[in-house]
Amino acid sequence: GESVGLHLPTLSVQEGDNSIINCAYSNSASDYFIWYKQESGKGPQFIIDIRSNMDKRQGQRVTVLLNKTVKHLSLQIAATQPGDSAVYFCAGPNQAGTALIFGKGTTLSVSS
Amino acid sequence: NAGVMQNPRHLVRRRGQEARLRCSPMKGHSHVYWYRQLPEEGLKFMVYLQKENIIDESGMPKERFSAEFPKEGPSILRIQQVVRGDSAAYFCASSPPTAAEPYEQYFGPGTRLTVT
Repeated sequence: GESVGLHLPTLSVQEGDNSIINCAYSNSASDYFIWYKQESGKGPQFIIDIRSNMDKRQGQRVTVLLNKTVKHLSLQIAATQPGDSAVYFCAGPNQAGTALIFGKGTTLSVSS
Repeated sequence: NAGVMQNPRHLVRRRGQEARLRCSPMKGHSHVYWYRQLPEEGLKFMVYLQKENIIDESGMPKERFSAEFPKEGPSILRIQQVVRGDSAAYFCASSPPTAAEPYEQYFGPGTRLTVT
């Protein structure tokens, strides 16, 4: 079946470092991916998305890279701040196109 | 413009009781999605509804769970005869009828259900 998954459950970085969070997916027909940030006790918050006709998309301090050959995407956070500490999920559409499939999440911890 | 509202934020039920979770979508949104999140897990899709219609309920258990989104009022996720395994965070998301992206979903803060 289709799946979206993250490589590492936890990532610890120092404030000011760049963070890279990775995600793999199984459905080569997936055409859209989203990264969400979830802080403790809150719902997922949209960060950035990318369509499969793109390799890279940049936002404010965040960049998403998509490698369709190996079915892998990554979220890069520049100059990581303590406020970036959260669980990060990649998500993609299910085959029916009616909902999102989420990976398990990577917990990012930023120390000062 | 208020975001997606969910209530209650925390709900405690004894085994065998019923749980009712409410979701008010963002203003102008007519599509509602319910997801469940177990501890240390990602969100799992349960059901997708439009006003008065269930579009996809493939992720919802066949027994004890039901969902509705009436013409007026919030969407309701109902769990009958709750068991300990139902303890989880339940998130609602909504999207507008003409979303620029088909997965332009905005999430509420969730309801944390604890079954004792």
